[in-house]
Amino acid sequence: GDSVTQTEGQVALSEEDFLTIHCNYSASGYPALFWYVQYPGEGPQFLFRASRDKEKGSSRGFEATYDKGTTSFHLRKASVQESDSAVYYCALGDRGNMGYKLTFGTGTSLLVDP
Amino acid sequence: AQTIHQWPVAEIKAVGSPLSLGCTIKGKSSPNLYWYWQATGGTLQQLFYSITVGQVESVVQLNLSASRPKDDQFILSTEKLLLSHSGFYLCAWSLDWGGDAEQFFGPGTRLTVL
Repeated sequence: GDSVTQTEGQVALSEEDFLTIHCNYSASGYPALFWYVQYPGEGPQFLFRASRDKEKGSSRGFEATYDKGTTSFHLRKASVQESDSAVYYCALGDRGNMGYKLTFGTGTSLLVDP
Repeated sequence: AQTIHQWPVAEIKAVGSPLSLGCTIKGKSSPNLYWYWQATGGTLQQLFYSITVGQVESVVQLNLSASRPKDDQFILSTEKLLLSHSGFYLCAWSLDWGGDAEQFFGPGTRLTVL
């Protein structure tokens, strides 16, 4: 079945550092890819999506590029702020018969020191 | 603007007792609705989805059931809680059907089973 792998369980940075969170996927079809962010005690918030190879999604200074060749959708931000501290989830949307299904990775907890 | 409300905010229940959690979507007619479960510190697991009133499909069997009695309402329930039911329950909606559709999450209900 479909799966999403996030390599980093936790990332600790200082303000203005560069951020990379790795996301790799495995899917039988051609999925859509998403990034969500979750703050403590809240539901996840949609960050952005990419639907085809080489498409870049972006929001709030975060960006990721759909790479079908390496099956990746790594999240990047040039300069993080303390307010970016949260858990980030990469997710995969099935575009086949299971069009309802969103498969989430295990999440990466980002902590940014001021 | 669409709003999503979940109730209750939190529950503490005994093993073997019944449970009913609710979700209401305002500002959007005929949304696609979803229930998710999140263990503490864990990822999101999709439980149910519904594309229309009276029709609910199960994604994962966790001794839970769901119903959609109205277009804007989604209910999650069980007659007998297990310890393993503890966690964070999230309702979500989407405008479109299919793997490209971003899902928007509610604030969640924190359930503790003792």
